[in-house]
Amino acid sequence: QQQVKQSPQSLIVQKGGISIINCAYENTAFDYFPWYQQFPGKGPALLIAIRPDVSEKKEGRFTISFNKSAKQFSLHIMDSQPGDSATYFCAAKEYGNKLVFGAGTILRVKS
Amino acid sequence: DGGITQSPKYLFRKEGQNVTLSCEQNLNHDAMYWYRQDPGQGLRLIYYSQIVNDFQKGDIAEGYSVSREKKESFPLTVTSAQKNPTAFYLCASTTGSGRGTQYFGPGTRLTVL
Repeated sequence: QQQVKQSPQSLIVQKGGISIINCAYENTAFDYFPWYQQFPGKGPALLIAIRPDVSEKKEGRFTISFNKSAKQFSLHIMDSQPGDSATYFCAAKEYGNKLVFGAGTILRVKS
Repeated sequence: DGGITQSPKYLFRKEGQNVTLSCEQNLNHDAMYWYRQDPGQGLRLIYYSQIVNDFQKGDIAEGYSVSREKKESFPLTVTSAQKNPTAFYLCASTTGSGRGTQYFGPGTRLTVL
């Protein structure tokens, strides 16, 4: 059973456009929601994270929007650049610092 | 530089052989994790350890074993009982304070010949 559902599987965006990736969860005990960025052949790197008592968090061109009542959160990448082309994973933390990951979104930004 | 190192980067194994993947961290983190990554399936937790000499099974522990004799080391053995071991293996660590941020190593790609 997939506890964190991520969509879309892949995304193509023009340079300068907005990339939007969505995630949904069921377990209301999750208390921390990070996003990771992964380039081919590399380990994932933390991009940005949010706690459920905050509705939005922005760091540079990256913004997380969080809707606690709908149990959904999303990543917005403003002014998308070719260097943003990577795989993005949402995740949710449960007990014991365990993370549950979404299936990932492959983003391609066309120049 | 502080970080997580994994070795080797690429590993080839013949069917029926056990292989051990190395993971070392110098971040003084308490908790360490092993994940398996397959295309289109995200990261799946194999084993994790919150403290030295203690570890728990994750979602896909069958065919794998671990040890945690030192705080900085968490090796993973892929045994011959693992029927489909070809994958990208990732090690991660966190402080254990409850914040949740996990830091990942560069990964080991295991291929069964």
